Amino acid sequence: KAGVTQTPRYLIKTRGQQVTLSCSPISGHRSVSWYQQTPGQGLQFLFEYFSETQRNKGNFPGRFSGRQFSNSRSEMNVSTLELGDSALYLCASSATGSNEQFFGPGTRLTVL
Amino acid sequence: KQEVTQIPAALSVPEGENLVLNCSFTDSAIYNLQWFRQDPGKGLTSLLLIQSSQREQTSGRLNASLDKSSGRSTLYIAASQPGDSATYLCAVIGNQGGKLIFGQGTELSVKP
Repeated sequence: KAGVTQTPRYLIKTRGQQVTLSCSPISGHRSVSWYQQTPGQGLQFLFEYFSETQRNKGNFPGRFSGRQFSNSRSEMNVSTLELGDSALYLCASSATGSNEQFFGPGTRLTVL
Repeated sequence: KQEVTQIPAALSVPEGENLVLNCSFTDSAIYNLQWFRQDPGKGLTSLLLIQSSQREQTSGRLNASLDKSSGRSTLYIAASQPGDSATYLCAVIGNQGGKLIFGQGTELSVKP
């Protein structure tokens, strides 16, 4: 079974631009969560989607948004990028009835 | 508010040593606790998941224990190898499900 995949793996953007990251969960997993990892703040929860509905949300500004499609694939969008948004963005999926989360390789976003 | 702490932040040991990584959490109302490994610049690999009703889990040379009442978990690595060098993260998920709350990690270096 293929693992969680994320595209693109690397992105370079400039301040003020917007960006869309994509995540494909493990086949059959319907829950997708997103996390931001930075050296200073560590791993922080962004949001969780289940069956196309946002089920949980972390403490991030409204510039961070996401969605989930009927095939469980998920995207997150960051608008009006700031230097502080430079981070590794990780996506995780879990099976229904299980809280064990499996992570993808991440997307490294650099904002210049 | 749940907080997760990992001690030590970094650890260097010679090959072959048995070692223990510590994780503590402030709110005992957890659903489960998960240990991960992260190699530099990569995503997270799930090592062990302990349900709140369990006391320990084992996988190969790894053994994780959980004491909810004291808010502590330990990850025991037997006969360490250079390939074990990585950052080890513990994370808890609350009874409401959804997000993982991570510690800052322990960076392990196993010297040949």
